[in-house]
Amino acid sequence: KAGVTQTPRYLIKTRGQQVTLSCSPISGHRSVSWYQQTPGQGLQFLFEYFSETQRNKGNFPGRFSGRQFSNSRSEMNVSTLELGDSALYLCASSTGTSGRETQYFGPGTRLLVL
Amino acid sequence: GESVGLHLPTLSVQEGDNSIINCAYSNSASDYFIWYKQESGKGPQFIIDIRSNMDKRQGQRVTVLLNKTVKHLSLQIAATQPGDSAVYFCAENRGHGQNFVFGPGTRLSVLP
Repeated sequence: KAGVTQTPRYLIKTRGQQVTLSCSPISGHRSVSWYQQTPGQGLQFLFEYFSETQRNKGNFPGRFSGRQFSNSRSEMNVSTLELGDSALYLCASSTGTSGRETQYFGPGTRLLVL
Repeated sequence: GESVGLHLPTLSVQEGDNSIINCAYSNSASDYFIWYKQESGKGPQFIIDIRSNMDKRQGQRVTVLLNKTVKHLSLQIAATQPGDSAVYFCAENRGHGQNFVFGPGTRLSVLP
């Protein structure tokens, strides 16, 4: 079974631009969660989508948004990029049925904001 | 590239020895815990999990211990190998869906 895939793997943007990252979960998984990983803050939860609905949300500003499609693929968008948005963005998928299950991570998208 | 922080706690062990990585969690309501391994340039990889109704769980070469009284989690790796070198994270689920809170991580360095 294929794992979680994320595209693109690397991205360079400038301040003020916006970016869209994509995540394809493991086949059969309906929950997709997004995390931001930085050296200073570690791994922080952004949001979770299940059946095309946002089910949980972390403490990030509204510039960070996401969506999920009917095939469970998910995208996250960051608008008006700031230097501090430079990070590794990870998505994780799970079956999502019980709400507390093992999450499997993708390789991440490394975003650099200049 | 670097996957995690520059100033992580580091545990250095000799190849073949056992490793113990510790994690303190903060919320007594947390009822599900996962240990992840993250190698440079990769996403976290699931190692083992444990629910709060258990205090010990064993996998292949790994054991997780949960002490709810002091809110402490540990990961024991038997016969540590060079391929075990990575950053290890504990993650707790506080009962609000798939919102996991991750610890700061520990870098395990295996010496030949």
